[in-house]
Amino acid sequence: GAVVSQHPSRVICKSGTSVKIECRSLDFQATTMFWYRQFPKQSLMLMATSNEGSKATYEQGVEKDKFLINHASLTLSTLTVTSAHPEDSSFYICSAPPSGHFSYNEQFFGPGTRLTVL
Amino acid sequence: GDSVTQMEGPVTLSEEAFLTINCTYTATGYPSLFWYVQYPGEGLQLLLKATKADDKGSNKGFEATYRKETTSFHLEKGSVQVSDSAVYFCALSDQGGGYNKLIFGAGTRLAVHP
Repeated sequence: GAVVSQHPSRVICKSGTSVKIECRSLDFQATTMFWYRQFPKQSLMLMATSNEGSKATYEQGVEKDKFLINHASLTLSTLTVTSAHPEDSSFYICSAPPSGHFSYNEQFFGPGTRLTVL
Repeated sequence: GDSVTQMEGPVTLSEEAFLTINCTYTATGYPSLFWYVQYPGEGLQLLLKATKADDKGSNKGFEATYRKETTSFHLEKGSVQVSDSAVYFCALSDQGGGYNKLIFGAGTRLAVHP
């Protein structure tokens, strides 16, 4: 099946610094990628939709200036957590539907990135 | 808006027991329904899906039937194994939007003991 990778898998940073998380589709192209946040023992919350060649679409309540998204190519989207604070500590997950495969609305998920802000 | 409700866990079973995890949904359109599984330390994997009413999704011994009349998509397995221990997420995708945004339930943790 299609593979989505994330880098890094785990990051620890100091409060006030910025952290970049990469999401790559390894064997398919994705014009759209999704970024989720998962709190401990809770479900995934969609943060934003990343669109190749255009601005990301953010869900209500998600700060655009806090969580910068760039979809640089058909295989890469990045999420930058700017001026991170301890409350930003979470598990961030990306997903991607292969371009053109909309008939079943299937998505492939990355393994996630654990962010800890000290 | 659209939403998914799952039974709360954790669910603890002995090996070879019967499993049911309830899932109900609310949606304005005609959604596709999914079960995803998250094994410890791994990302989400699609377990099974159904795209229209009365469809039955199945994989690895798991089954779920899309019931429009009860707006449900309950996950079942006749005989669970220790290796089935994971967190299971029910999700829907409303096809009317033109792109496939997934809405997840809260997840149900399953622990299977030998």
